[in-house]
Amino acid sequence: GAVVSQHPSWVICKSGTSVKIECRSLDFQATTMFWYRQFPKQSLMLMATSNEGSKATYEQGVEKDKFLINHASLTLSTLTVTSAHPEDSSFYICSARLLVQYEQYFGPGTRLTVT
Amino acid sequence: EDKVVQSPLSLVVHEGDTVTLNCSYEVTNFRSLLWYKQEKKAPTFLFMLTSSGIEKKSGRLSSILDKKELFSILNITATQTGDSAVYLCAVEKNTGNQFYFGTGTSLTVIP
Repeated sequence: GAVVSQHPSWVICKSGTSVKIECRSLDFQATTMFWYRQFPKQSLMLMATSNEGSKATYEQGVEKDKFLINHASLTLSTLTVTSAHPEDSSFYICSARLLVQYEQYFGPGTRLTVT
Repeated sequence: EDKVVQSPLSLVVHEGDTVTLNCSYEVTNFRSLLWYKQEKKAPTFLFMLTSSGIEKKSGRLSSILDKKELFSILNITATQTGDSAVYLCAVEKNTGNQFYFGTGTSLTVIP
């Protein structure tokens, strides 16, 4: 099956700093990548959808200036959490999809802790 | 407001039991319903359902969609301890790659 990787798997940063999370599709070209956030014992919440070469589409309530998404190529999307605060601490998961009729494949997730 | 509701929230069964997990939805512009299994980390894909009444099977797992009543069920027969996980249901809209996830059903299978 298709493989999606994320890096780093775990990051701790200080309040006020920025952190970048990478999402790569390893064996297929992803026209669309998704970024989700998951709090403990809660479901995945879609934050934004990005298509290669175009601006990301953010879900309602997600600050686009805080969560910068760049889908630079068909195999790489990045999420940058700017000026992180402790309430940004969460599990961030990306997924990638080749075409709209195919399922999305999830990365292993990145646990962000902001101190 | 679009929403996906799963029930029960949690379930504990013995090995060998059969379980049925439910997912109901209220989503405009429905494209598909998906089931995922989430263990420690990221969800893994189980099924994608787009048509009513057509059962999808994979080993001991099966799922079916009812687009008239707006729900789906996921059946697991002869459960094993390795089936212990959170099972997530998601609905995709056909308006620009939007997915809505339910809160999941936490299944624990005890030996």
